Amino acid sequence: SQQGEEDPQALSIQEGENATMNCSYKTSINNLQWYRQNSGRGLVHLILIRSNEREKHSGRLRVTLDTSKKSSSLLITASRAADTASYFCATVQGAQKLVFGQGTRLTINP
Amino acid sequence: NAGVMQNPRHLVRRRGQEARLRCSPMKGHSHVYWYRQLPEEGLKFMVYLQKENIIDESGMPKERFSAEFPKEGPSILRIQQVVRGDSAAYFCASSPPTPGGSGYTFGSGTRLTVV
Repeated sequence: SQQGEEDPQALSIQEGENATMNCSYKTSINNLQWYRQNSGRGLVHLILIRSNEREKHSGRLRVTLDTSKKSSSLLITASRAADTASYFCATVQGAQKLVFGQGTRLTINP
Repeated sequence: NAGVMQNPRHLVRRRGQEARLRCSPMKGHSHVYWYRQLPEEGLKFMVYLQKENIIDESGMPKERFSAEFPKEGPSILRIQQVVRGDSAAYFCASSPPTPGGSGYTFGSGTRLTVV
């Protein structure tokens, strides 16, 4: 079974606003990753946060990790139309396989 | 460095035919992973292979599906006697032996349509 559940499943905001997506997972992890998928395309790695980190920044992205709650959040600040995509969290399970959640479909309205 | 190459990008098969999807990993990567994605859903793990070895096939359907990663050439995901329910996007990813989390690179996928 897949683990990693994102919420909300869909999010629509105005350009310039901040977008926050959440992810929960079930097992212990070494790290958690966030990926973006534009419509009809493959996945692009955005950011990785290790289990001993609580927060990480990359440009307009901010990721938090709470291992006690087994949850992570991805914040995109000052959103742009080009941020419209699906966002997935993923954890590594077993022998190196990435396991993804169902994703959040983000729409940025101009 | 061309990244992970998948072909074909689009594949149409009639019910009962065979589908063969190819994945050439990124240069220097020896590990390949196949995923299936239905519309509006996340990626479901299918199989993880190293050269000439299947490491984890826990996500592969028991029948009609097989995968290989030969010593030479691309990894192949083979679906025999396709049915409408096989219609999906199939993604391949590759990594070095110790990806360290951020070392996975995804291809653009093959969109299989069964008519």
